[in-house]
Amino acid sequence: QVQLRESGPGLVRPSQTLSLTCAVSGVSISHNDFYWSWIRQHPDKGLQWIGFIYHTGHTFYNPSLMGRVTMSVDTSKNHFSLRLNSVTAADTAIYYCARDPRGILPDLWGPGTLVTVTS
Amino acid sequence: DIQMTQSPSTLSASVGDRVTITCRASQNIGSWLAWYQQKPGKAPRLLISKASNLETGVPSRFGGSGSGTKFTLTISRLQPDDFATYYCQQYESYSRNFGQGTKVEIK
Repeated sequence: QVQLRESGPGLVRPSQTLSLTCAVSGVSISHNDFYWSWIRQHPDKGLQWIGFIYHTGHTFYNPSLMGRVTMSVDTSKNHFSLRLNSVTAADTAIYYCARDPRGILPDLWGPGTLVTVTS
Repeated sequence: DIQMTQSPSTLSASVGDRVTITCRASQNIGSWLAWYQQKPGKAPRLLISKASNLETGVPSRFGGSGSGTKFTLTISRLQPDDFATYYCQQYESYSRNFGQGTKVEIK
C-alpha cells in the first residue's frame, strides 16, 4: 500500500534552514495523477498547508510562506523535499507530507515529524 | 484570505449520541470543503471531500452537508472510536486554510 514518511533534523537553530524529506513507497512519485504536499501543525494544533510539488518540478506555495519555501523532487529516489529558510520559533511544528491527487486535496498523510526551532 | 471558523471548540457527548459540528467560511467557497479526523499522536485522516463525499472506508454514520459559507459534519450515532478532534479545510483557494478544530470528548 502507499506510504509516506518524513525525515530530517528534529532541532533547527533560529535563522537557519529547515530541511525535510518525504520518502514515498507503494506508488511512483512520477504518477501523473499525484501532486505531493507539505502541511504543518503548530503546537496550538493549528494546521497550515505549506505547498505542493509535481514530479515535473512544478510547485505552488501558500502565499503566506512565499519567499521562504522551496520544494524539490527526486524521482530516482522516489522522494520529495522541503526547505524553509530563516526559521523562527513560530516555525516549530509537526511537519507532514501528503499525497495530493490532481493537486486538489491531500488524501493520504505521513505520520509527521516534529521540528523544534531553538537556540 | 479565507478564514474558517468551527464551533463548538469542544463537544462532550456519549456513545450513541448524534453529534453536529459547524464550519463557517468567511466567503463563498462553493462545495470546496473537507473534513478530517485526528487522534492523538496521529496524522489527520480525510473523512469527507467536496462537502459531502464520504471517502472510501469511512463509516456511513459520518455525513457532511452545506455549501457556500456554512457546513456541517454529523456523526449519527457516536462510537467509542469517534472520540477525536475534527477539522474542516477549505480548498477553494490555495491558502487551503483549516478551521481551528473541534474536540469531541466523552461526557
